[in-house]
Amino acid sequence: GAGVSQSPRYKVAKRGQDVALRCDPISGHVSLFWYQQALGQGPEFLTYFQNEAQLDKSGLPSDRFFAERPEGSVSTLKIQRTQQEDSAVYLCASSSQAGVNTGELFFGEGSRLTVL
Amino acid sequence: GENVEQHPSTLSVQEGDSAVIKCTYSDSASNYFPWYKQELGKRPQLIIDIRSNVGEKKDQRIAVTLNKTAKHFSLHITETQPEDSAVYFCAAIRPNTGNQFYFGTGTSLTVIP
Repeated sequence: GAGVSQSPRYKVAKRGQDVALRCDPISGHVSLFWYQQALGQGPEFLTYFQNEAQLDKSGLPSDRFFAERPEGSVSTLKIQRTQQEDSAVYLCASSSQAGVNTGELFFGEGSRLTVL
Repeated sequence: GENVEQHPSTLSVQEGDSAVIKCTYSDSASNYFPWYKQELGKRPQLIIDIRSNVGEKKDQRIAVTLNKTAKHFSLHITETQPEDSAVYFCAAIRPNTGNQFYFGTGTSLTVIP
C-alpha cells in the first residue's frame, strides 16, 4: 500500500478484555516498530522487529503485551486482560532500513484504545 | 538508555514570527536527530533531520542546529504560517540499538493569524 495502515482506528474495551491491534507496514520495509502514545506525550518505544525477528521488546510494559510479525510483513500487537492504564494511541512505524543505517520512520495513523 | 528533554511544551507565535523548539539528550553516542510534526489526529511525519557530523541543516523555512558538545539540538521555523500549527517531536537515536528512537514529550505550536 501507499503507507502504513493500522486497524482498528478506534477500539473500546472493557477492563479485562483482550485486544489485538494490526499493522500493515509499507511493502518491503524491513524494520517495524510499535510505540505507545499517551495523551499529550511523545511516542514511547514498545518493541522492534527486523523482518520476522523481534530484536527488542524492552519497552513492553508487562507480560500482558505481546507482539508478533510471523512472516516479516503484517504485525499484531496483542494486549491481554486490558487495564485502564493501557488506554493510549498505539502507533506502528516502519522503515526501509535496518540496524545502524538509521532511516526515516513512516508512521501509521494509530489505533486509539480506550479501556473502560 | 537515552533521555530526551524538549522545551517548551507549548508555544504560541504570531503569524510571520519565528518559532524555536529545543531538545537535549543524554547519550553522547546518539548520532541521528529527526524532528516529526503531528497534526491533530494525524500520524507523525518527518520534517527534517540532522546527523551528528553536521552542525546545521536548512530546508526552506525550517532549520535544525546541533551542538554535540552541549548535547542539544533545536528546530527553527521562520515566517510561521497557520498551517505550521501542530505538535512537534524531537528524537535521538543511538546506533547499534536496533534503531530505537527516543522521543521528546512534544511541543504544541500555535500560530496565531
